[in-house]
Amino acid sequence: EAGVAQSPRYKIIEKRQSVAFWCNPISGHATLYWYQQILGQGPKLLIQFQNNGVVDDSQLPKDRFSAERLKGVDSTLKIQPAKLEDSAVYLCASSLVGDTDTQYFGPGTRLTVL
Amino acid sequence: AQKITQTQPGMFVQEKEAVTLDCTYDTSDPSYGLFWYKQPSSGEMIFLIYQGSYDQQNATEGRYSLNFQKARKSANLVISASQLGDSAMYFCAMREGGYSTLTFGKGTMLLVSP
Repeated sequence: EAGVAQSPRYKIIEKRQSVAFWCNPISGHATLYWYQQILGQGPKLLIQFQNNGVVDDSQLPKDRFSAERLKGVDSTLKIQPAKLEDSAVYLCASSLVGDTDTQYFGPGTRLTVL
Repeated sequence: AQKITQTQPGMFVQEKEAVTLDCTYDTSDPSYGLFWYKQPSSGEMIFLIYQGSYDQQNATEGRYSLNFQKARKSANLVISASQLGDSAMYFCAMREGGYSTLTFGKGTMLLVSP
C-alpha cells in the first residue's frame, strides 16, 4: 500500500514570496491533516479535512495560509506572502475516518524562508 | 499547562540495551488515546504504538511497549534491545475524546551507539 505522498521535499524562497505544497493521502483515507513542525518542536495542526470539508482550521493563520482539498482526495497548502517564521517542515497526514484511527504521515516538505 | 510533556531532550543507549522514553499527559477527558511516533532524520513521522485510555493491558508492538500508568498520567515508551536504526526523534502524542486532532510533545532525541 502506497503511503502519503508530498511534494516538493524541499523549498527555499524569499520572504513575501508565495509557495504551495501538495499532498496525496493513502487511498481510501477520508481525513487529511496538515501540520507545521518548527525546528525543535513537535508538529502543530494547521488544518483538518474530512473528505473535502474543513473540520478544524482554528490554528491556521488565515491571513496568509490557505488550504483546499478538492474532490476529497489530494490537497494543497499555500502560503502567501511567506514570512521568516514560516520556515518549518510541513507534514501531511491521513487517516481512515477520524477520531478512532491512526494518522499516517508523509515525508514532509522542508521550507526555508530567507 | 502543556498537555504532553517529554522531559528528556536527549537519551543515549548502547546497542542491545533497553531504553525508556518518558511521557506525561494532562487531560480531564476520560476517553483519550496516546501515541508514539518515531521521526528519523529523513523527516517522516512513523507510527509506533497506540494505547487507549480504556485498554486494560499495556500495548506492545514487537520491540516497543508502552508502560501505561493511568493514575500517574504517564505513558512511557520502552524499546527493548536497541538497534542503531532506532536513533531518531521520538514524539509522544495524545488525542482527546471525540476529536481526532493530535497534540504532540516536544520530543526526545535517542542516540544508539555501537
